Amino acid sequence: GENVEQHPSTLSVQEGDSAVIKCTYSDSASNYFPWYKQELGKRPQLIIDIRSNVGEKKDQRIAVTLNKTAKHFSLHITETQPEDSAVYFCAARPRAGTGGFKTIFGAGTRLFVKA
Amino acid sequence: GAVVSQHPSRVICKSGTSVKIECRSLDFQATTMFWYRQFPKQSLMLMATSNEGSKATYEQGVEKDKFLINHASLTLSTLTVTSAHPEDSSFYICSANLAGGQETQYFGPGTRLLVL
Repeated sequence: GENVEQHPSTLSVQEGDSAVIKCTYSDSASNYFPWYKQELGKRPQLIIDIRSNVGEKKDQRIAVTLNKTAKHFSLHITETQPEDSAVYFCAARPRAGTGGFKTIFGAGTRLFVKA
Repeated sequence: GAVVSQHPSRVICKSGTSVKIECRSLDFQATTMFWYRQFPKQSLMLMATSNEGSKATYEQGVEKDKFLINHASLTLSTLTVTSAHPEDSSFYICSANLAGGQETQYFGPGTRLLVL
């Protein structure tokens, strides 16, 4: 089955700096890679996603890159703000028909943005 | 966007009792729902896939007789933690996909279970 590894586990940045979180996956059949932000005691919120036929996607201050060959994908947050502080999870999902759309999560990265 | 609700949001029970958690898709039909468990400062661990009208598929290491899942309609899945023990205390979150296999996954707000 799919295994997703995520680094770093904790990341502390100064407000205005960029933050990068990296993930790797093991199942080459995975073709959908969402990123979630979770605040304490709340549900995960989808912030951006990328499909395997795309190498990069950007939404304002957030961007995600995908390297299918290396099975790496990364989240980039620019101009970080204190409200970006949260736990971020990467995830991978196999394509339709395999694994029933179940999503496998990375271990999470706790991001602290210092004002 | 699609809304998924969970009930209760928080439950405290005595060891040995059973607890039922409901997951509802409020404005869409979900043929598949997923149940996750999240311990403090840890990731979401998939417990099982709930399929409308058929048996749930459990992940390795999850006891199906302890975590009973029922998905009787396209808008409701229930997770029953039977004979709960303190080690079952956790944050339980469900999620659902739109019927037809849409990729976007909608999460419920979670249920915090504390077993004394």
